[in-house]
Amino acid sequence: DGGITQSPKYLFRKEGQNVTLSCEQNLNHDAMYWYRQDPGQGLRLIYYSQIVNDFQKGDIAEGYSVSREKKESFPLTVTSAQKNPTAFYLCASSRGTSGFTDTQYFGPGTRLTVL
Amino acid sequence: QQQVKQSPQSLIVQKGGISIINCAYENTAFDYFPWYQQFPGKGPALLIAIRPDVSEKKEGRFTISFNKSAKQFSLHIMDSQPGDSATYFCAATSKNAGGTSYGKLTFGQGTILTVHP
Repeated sequence: DGGITQSPKYLFRKEGQNVTLSCEQNLNHDAMYWYRQDPGQGLRLIYYSQIVNDFQKGDIAEGYSVSREKKESFPLTVTSAQKNPTAFYLCASSRGTSGFTDTQYFGPGTRLTVL
Repeated sequence: QQQVKQSPQSLIVQKGGISIINCAYENTAFDYFPWYQQFPGKGPALLIAIRPDVSEKKEGRFTISFNKSAKQFSLHIMDSQPGDSATYFCAATSKNAGGTSYGKLTFGQGTILTVHP
């Protein structure tokens, strides 16, 4: 059963704490992405990675960090420097072979709430 | 110039009716326009996409209309069904957005569609 898994589904964090969101894919995709979704704002790109051990900042990278040590995994850390971290976080992946028309496949998301 | 503006923010349609969602863009370099469908608590999924070399693309009850000169495109859902109730996002990307093997998507703000039975 191929797809993208994100865990946990719901996450609560105290202010000032770092937290790591998991994203795993078994689609053998080269590219992976992290988006943040807020009501009325669509999806905004946080970080993306085209290959292992390489990643690039998206539009709203401040307060976030990522790693890409394995092709199938792309964890996102929300640091205490992120001023407004409460949001729905979506991980996606794409083959990376069709260029700019690559379809992005999304995971089910993690809802992070900062208490 | 990277924005994609989507309207309306929410839409209520009766079963069997036509749902229309509109998007407008400024960046003339955009040349691929996908639509994503998202059900509550789930991630978005690609619904249909269009390149600007055609004015219309149809897949089942879903049609994209594209007006290159006006820099606008829209999603039409014919014979809308309660199962179509979801959030719809338009998006755009260009060949040069983010490198050779990556298409950086710019998303619209989303439209919450409710289809009443």
